Amino acid sequence: SAVISQKPSRDICQRGTSLTIQCQVDSQVTMMFWYRQQPGQSLTLIATANQGSEATYESGFVIDKFPISRPNLTFSTLTVSNMSPEDSSIYLCSVVWGANTEAFFGQGTRLTVV
Amino acid sequence: AQSVTQLDSQVPVFEEAPVELRCNYSSSVSVYLFWYVQYPNQGLQLLLKYLSGSTLVKGINGFEAEFNKSQTSFHLRKPSVHISDTAEYFCAVKLQGAQKLVFGQGTRLTINP
Repeated sequence: SAVISQKPSRDICQRGTSLTIQCQVDSQVTMMFWYRQQPGQSLTLIATANQGSEATYESGFVIDKFPISRPNLTFSTLTVSNMSPEDSSIYLCSVVWGANTEAFFGQGTRLTVV
Repeated sequence: AQSVTQLDSQVPVFEEAPVELRCNYSSSVSVYLFWYVQYPNQGLQLLLKYLSGSTLVKGINGFEAEFNKSQTSFHLRKPSVHISDTAEYFCAVKLQGAQKLVFGQGTRLTINP
């Protein structure tokens, strides 16, 4: 399995500002994903982070609001832009490592927007 | 498109009692099935997975699940629960050959002493 480190683990932010979340993996991974978990809800896929190209966004998520970078095979960032209280959620990084079919998850970033 | 339904949003049980968390899925093609657990203020941890072969799969912490293709179900069971099993449990499905996971709504398991 992979060790996945997410930073920050939690933050409280003012509305209208932006927060960048980092995801670092201890080995090269094929696929990296970003999920959102709203309070009391399940996980919803935001996008697939593609190495060296633009991320692939799911329906309802756009690049202007959630820009994603993936400069190499072990690192990705998700930015939550122009935040509102509705963006208060847990954001999770997930990876698929090698030929395994299961996904591994980071500890998540708990974001509160006030 | 595939979807996952967890039939119970909350399941309260007494310590040392058996528990079953129900999961049904819909898909027109073959899928892989997973159960994840999320302890308070933590990320997701894989409990078990079904890829192929035996329909009864065993996971960590004494959990097991049975894949039933005719009923499109993948229910999670444990014969005797502990206080430490209190957590949110998520069923997830992935199309064979794809990478994207689709999650159910989650079941909150609460263990009472």
